[in-house]
Amino acid sequence: AQTVTQSQPEMSVQEAETVTLSCTYDTSENNYYLFWYKQPPSRQMILVIRQEAYKQQNATENRFSVNFQKAAKSFSLKISDSQLGDTAMYFCAFMTNNNNDMRFGAGTRLTVKP
Amino acid sequence: GAGVSQSPSNKVTEKGKDVELRCDPISGHTALYWYRQSLGQGLEFLIYFQGNSAPDKSGLPSDRFSAERTGGSVSTLTIQRTQQEDSAVYLCASSLGTSLYEQYFGPGTRLTVT
Repeated sequence: AQTVTQSQPEMSVQEAETVTLSCTYDTSENNYYLFWYKQPPSRQMILVIRQEAYKQQNATENRFSVNFQKAAKSFSLKISDSQLGDTAMYFCAFMTNNNNDMRFGAGTRLTVKP
Repeated sequence: GAGVSQSPSNKVTEKGKDVELRCDPISGHTALYWYRQSLGQGLEFLIYFQGNSAPDKSGLPSDRFSAERTGGSVSTLTIQRTQQEDSAVYLCASSLGTSLYEQYFGPGTRLTVT
């Protein structure tokens, strides 16, 4: 079975500081894709960052970066210089070429405090 | 251009009634997904459409759930004889293809079964 685990239900960070959200996954596949999605109160899911498993280099998108540890099946998200607008639920997700369904973790509620 | 739209935004229905939820994907996107998000949970895959291929219905929780996609565009998710456990936010997403392609999500329909 393919599962995604986010062990931090809630986190908070001071504005301008850095925070890391954890995610682990379990799969027997070798080719897959990992994603972090942000869901603000508006409910609109927004893709934050994406990582292809065959790429060793960690993905980076402006203030967002990942630490992808394939052997450990770990995919954490680092948010630098946190902003109030980063307050949202963050979901880690996983998808393979062989399946049509994207598996999501239970989410981490991040609050950025002024 | 326009994003993924869903209607209605909110739906309250009585137990036992049927409901229809609508999704308008981004024009040109061949792939369409339906997900269910229960309170405080991650997203649960329901069904996937890709072009003219037979849909992947592996995530539908019971035979009360069905979905159609007419003309490769608009999709309707139907829940028959609704139960209280069907209460959730139903999210639709579309993409250019699978896996590597970003899924663009709609704002969801919040269904409440009383």
